[in-house]
Amino acid sequence: GAVVSQHPSRVICKSGTSVKIECRSLDFQATTMFWYRQFPKQSLMLMATSNEGSKATYEQGVEKDKFLINHASLTLSTLTVTSAHPEDSSFYICSPKQRSNEKLFFGSGTQLSVL
Amino acid sequence: QKEVEQDPGPLSVPEGAIVSLNCTYSNSAFQYFMWYRQYSRKGPELLMYTYSSGNKEDGRFTAQVDKSSKYISLFIRDSQPSDSATYLCAMSEGPGGDMRFGAGTRLTVKP
Repeated sequence: GAVVSQHPSRVICKSGTSVKIECRSLDFQATTMFWYRQFPKQSLMLMATSNEGSKATYEQGVEKDKFLINHASLTLSTLTVTSAHPEDSSFYICSPKQRSNEKLFFGSGTQLSVL
Repeated sequence: QKEVEQDPGPLSVPEGAIVSLNCTYSNSAFQYFMWYRQYSRKGPELLMYTYSSGNKEDGRFTAQVDKSSKYISLFIRDSQPSDSATYLCAMSEGPGGDMRFGAGTRLTVKP
């Protein structure tokens, strides 16, 4: 399977601060990056989709100004949670994807806890 | 009706049991079917991948797809405590299509 690196694995921050999560595809070029959020005992919820060099497309109900996504290269994408609040506490997972590959591979996830 | 239905469980079985996990779906255009295993506080890892109908076996794991019934299954033989995890089914129409996930089934294998 593909190697995906996601950092940090866990972050605790104060309300109002911003947090940046990095996702790297180490052995393939990701033309598309998916960002998911997962609440306890629930399935993955797609937040946004970004194609390299383009603006991200956000799912309904996801605030684009709060969750900033950068996908400037084929191997790196970042998700920045701006002015985080306790309700943003969740498990965030990235999934880089090759254009011609139907399989999805996932990062190890980032547990965000906002105090 | 959700596009992909999966019983969330929880499912608890004794070690050595055969486990059957299932998903149903409504979109007949789905062609690619996957099963992911997710341990607590970790990202999902691809376990099985199947294209169209049929069976696929990998060690103790067997994936089945019945497109006529819109039903997919994952069987785990000789289940081990290390198999305790949440299992997610996923499917898509093709390489460019969106992936749709089931809710995930939480499995516990007791020693």
